[in-house]
Amino acid sequence: KAGVTQTPRYLIKTRGQQVTLSCSPISGHRSVSWYQQTPGQGLQFLFEYFSETQRNKGNFPGRFSGRQFSNSRSEMNVSTLELGDSALYLCASSPSRGENTIYFGEGSWLTVV
Amino acid sequence: QKEVEQNSGPLSVPEGAIASLNCTYSDRGSQSFFWYRQYSGKSPELIMFIYSNGDKEDGRFTAQLNKASQYVSLLIRDSQPSDSATYLCAVYGNKLVFGAGTILRVKS
Repeated sequence: KAGVTQTPRYLIKTRGQQVTLSCSPISGHRSVSWYQQTPGQGLQFLFEYFSETQRNKGNFPGRFSGRQFSNSRSEMNVSTLELGDSALYLCASSPSRGENTIYFGEGSWLTVV
Repeated sequence: QKEVEQNSGPLSVPEGAIASLNCTYSDRGSQSFFWYRQYSGKSPELIMFIYSNGDKEDGRFTAQLNKASQYVSLLIRDSQPSDSATYLCAVYGNKLVFGAGTILRVKS
């Protein structure tokens, strides 16, 4: 059974650019959530999607957005990149909201220069 | 007060010993509690989850939950050098909130 797949794995962007990250959840999982991990702030919740609807959002500026498609695949977008956006972006999937099996993908390493 | 608190460590234990990792949380409405292991440069790996008071065992791992004290712990028996990693406690209410993690070092 395939795990959570995130693409791209590594990317370098310039300040002011935008970036789109993709996440394919485990087959049959309908809930997808996104997290940002940095050495200083640890793992922070960005947002959660279920059935194509954003169910919850963390304390991030509006430059961070996401969406979920009918096949449960999800994308997140960061516009007007700042140096502080350099981080590991993690996607997690679970069968539905509040499930006890939440699995992470390998993450997308974003460097903003 | 942070929502989920863990001792950052490092916690050093000799090979074969029991490692005890602790976590406290502030939201009494939290429903599920997770332990993830994260190796340097890798993503978090789910070790165990628990949602009822008491103990839950899985192989060398035992999770313990005390909702009255808002406390959750992870015991690792027969610790191995390969267990050396950062252990993240996470709590789910309406979102998954992580602690900062405890660095565990198992010395051979």
